[in-house]
Amino acid sequence: GESVGLHLPTLSVQEGDNSIINCAYSNSASDYFIWYKQESGKGPQFIIDIRSNMDKRQGQRVTVLLNKTVKHLSLQIAATQPGDSAVYFCAENKPGRGTGRRALTFGSGTRLQVQP
Amino acid sequence: NAGVTQTPKFQVLKTGQSMTLQCAQDMNHNSMYWYRQDPGMGLRLIYYSASEGTTDKGEVPNGYNVSRLNKREFSLRLESAAPSQTSVYFCASLGVGGVEKLFFGSGTQLSVL
Repeated sequence: GESVGLHLPTLSVQEGDNSIINCAYSNSASDYFIWYKQESGKGPQFIIDIRSNMDKRQGQRVTVLLNKTVKHLSLQIAATQPGDSAVYFCAENKPGRGTGRRALTFGSGTRLQVQP
Repeated sequence: NAGVTQTPKFQVLKTGQSMTLQCAQDMNHNSMYWYRQDPGMGLRLIYYSASEGTTDKGEVPNGYNVSRLNKREFSLRLESAAPSQTSVYFCASLGVGGVEKLFFGSGTQLSVL
C-alpha cells in the first residue's frame, strides 16, 4: 500500500503534458542534489542528480534545474506518461564530518498524478 | 541480482516488544543505511554504516540499535518498541566511486500498537 501519507502537495497533469516539480532546499553549503521517484509500495528510485557547480542537467525525458541563489531545485518531466505517477523527492547532500559520510537529507515529497 | 532485500515486509508489534529488521545487499557496496518514512515527511536517517565494522548515528537514532554483521548485511533492532516507531523503514546501500546513488529496498511497514 501507500508508504507516504495523505498530506503531500499534489500535481495533477494530463498525459503528454510536461510536468514541473519544485523543491526548496535548506542548506546553502549542500553540494549535491538528487531526485528520487517512489511508486506505491516501493522504495525510492534514483532519477537524476546534479552537483552544485552546475545549473542544469538533462537525462532521458527529465531535466533538473538548480538555482543556488534562491536554493531551489526543479524536476521537469517531458511528455508525462501514466507510469510517471508517483511521489517525487528531492534530496540534498550536506558536507558532513570526515570523508566517509554520505547521508542525504530528503524533502517531504510531491505526488504526481497523470490523468489519461 | 536482487539489489537490496529487506525482511519482513510487514510487522505488527505490541508496545514493549522487540524485533530486528534484516537487510542484505548483493552489490558489494561499502555503505549501508536505515531510514524511516513518516506521513508528510521525507525519509529520515536513523543509522548508517560507512563500511564493514563501523556504524554511526543519523538524525533520529533514539530507540534503535544496529549491527553491521558483514559487508552484505545491516540489521536494525528495536529493543522496546513504542507507538512512535510506527513507520515505514527503508534500508539502502551506496556504491563507492562515481555518481553517488542510494539503492533502496522495498521497505518494512511496522505498526506498534
